[in-house]
Amino acid sequence: DAGITQSPRHKVTETGTPVTLRCHQTENHRYMYWYRQDPGHGLRLIHYSYGVKDTDKGEVSDGYSVSRSKTEDFLLTLESATSSQTSVYFCAISDSGTGADTQYFGPGTRLTVL
Amino acid sequence: KQEVTQIPAALSVPEGENLVLNCSFTDSAIYNLQWFRQDPGKGLTSLLLIQSSQREQTSGRLNASLDKSSGRSTLYIAASQPGDSATYLCAAFSTGNTPLVFGKGTRLSVIA
Repeated sequence: DAGITQSPRHKVTETGTPVTLRCHQTENHRYMYWYRQDPGHGLRLIHYSYGVKDTDKGEVSDGYSVSRSKTEDFLLTLESATSSQTSVYFCAISDSGTGADTQYFGPGTRLTVL
Repeated sequence: KQEVTQIPAALSVPEGENLVLNCSFTDSAIYNLQWFRQDPGKGLTSLLLIQSSQREQTSGRLNASLDKSSGRSTLYIAASQPGDSATYLCAAFSTGNTPLVFGKGTRLSVIA
């Protein structure tokens, strides 16, 4: 299995509080991604990174920000959590962004916003 | 905008049966088509990746095909086993700010 960890694995928080999720990889892959998975919607891309300090928005980026100060770490921040952000969040990595290789997924973080 | 559809949403088969999972996509300008497996409460595991120039890929009892002209891919599972029970997702890789677009998956149950 690709070396991807996510922390925390579970979190319960209250509306309006800031939340940061961490993705850590040991594969030295260039690309890192944050997805959310919801019943009825499937997996949707939030943000992705194509290098240190290089990030771009995905399909559902509103209310989320990201940072990547090191190759191995990609942080997802909810500045002011809302109940609509209750979801399972997955981090993924890939060596290239060209589609020549697959994406490897972390175990996920289950976030509940009350 | 690419859209990926998987039908049926759920499928139940007896052990030993050969089965086919379907995936369709709206934009044929893809770089590849990927199949993933997801067990309950777990992340996704890559099963097969078919490049746009390929027609099929095989791994063990799994065979995935790609027909870009018709916007379809199939995942064939031979001699199904209870351990194959999981949700199977396909994803199309193309250009844009959402390069990998996922279907909602087919939940497969193989009954012993």
